[in-house]
Amino acid sequence: EAGVVQSPRYKIIEKKQPVAFWCNPISGHNTLYWYRQNLGQGPELLIRYENEEAVDDSQLPKDRFSAERLKGVDSTLKIQPAELGDSAVYLCASSFGLAGTSTDTQYFGPGTRLTVL
Amino acid sequence: GQQVMQIPQYQHVQEGEDFTTYCNSSTTLSNIQWYKQRPGGHPVFLIQLVKSGEVKKQKRLTFQFGEAKKNSSLHITATQTTDVGTYFCAGSTSGTYKYIFGTGTRLKVLA
Repeated sequence: EAGVVQSPRYKIIEKKQPVAFWCNPISGHNTLYWYRQNLGQGPELLIRYENEEAVDDSQLPKDRFSAERLKGVDSTLKIQPAELGDSAVYLCASSFGLAGTSTDTQYFGPGTRLTVL
Repeated sequence: GQQVMQIPQYQHVQEGEDFTTYCNSSTTLSNIQWYKQRPGGHPVFLIQLVKSGEVKKQKRLTFQFGEAKKNSSLHITATQTTDVGTYFCAGSTSGTYKYIFGTGTRLKVLA
């Protein structure tokens, strides 16, 4: 069974440019998460989807970040415009069930390492 | 807001020595998960603890959930070079349906 797929793996852009990340979760997983991981820190949740509904986006900087999960499968995360402080690894994860349930094990993708110059 | 801290931040051990990392939450947790992230890799799920005082073992790894469900620990017996990586705990509080990751403990094992 394929794991969580993310692309691109690496992205280097100049500040003020837009950037987009794509995630394909494990087949059948209803919950999808986007995390940001800064160097030497733990993943920080940006947004969580249950099917196509964003149920928790309280940590998403909405002035420049946007996300969508059309048809409740693939998801994209966009930053426009990017700032120097956005340099980080952006991780996508999926789980079969809701957080706090017995089926909420999160499976992470390899991440996209973003460098903003 | 909820905070999850881990100590130590770094640990270097000789191969064969034991290792323990501690996870402390500012709020009572409904459950806690542990993940391992190898250098350059992504977090990989290890285990989930749900019950107060719960202890689970996976070969050389022992996981414990505190009685008050505000702390947890991961103990590795006789470390091996394959244990190298950063260990994260992630706690969920009732009703929030999300996990807050700890700050992580980076383990280096010297052969």
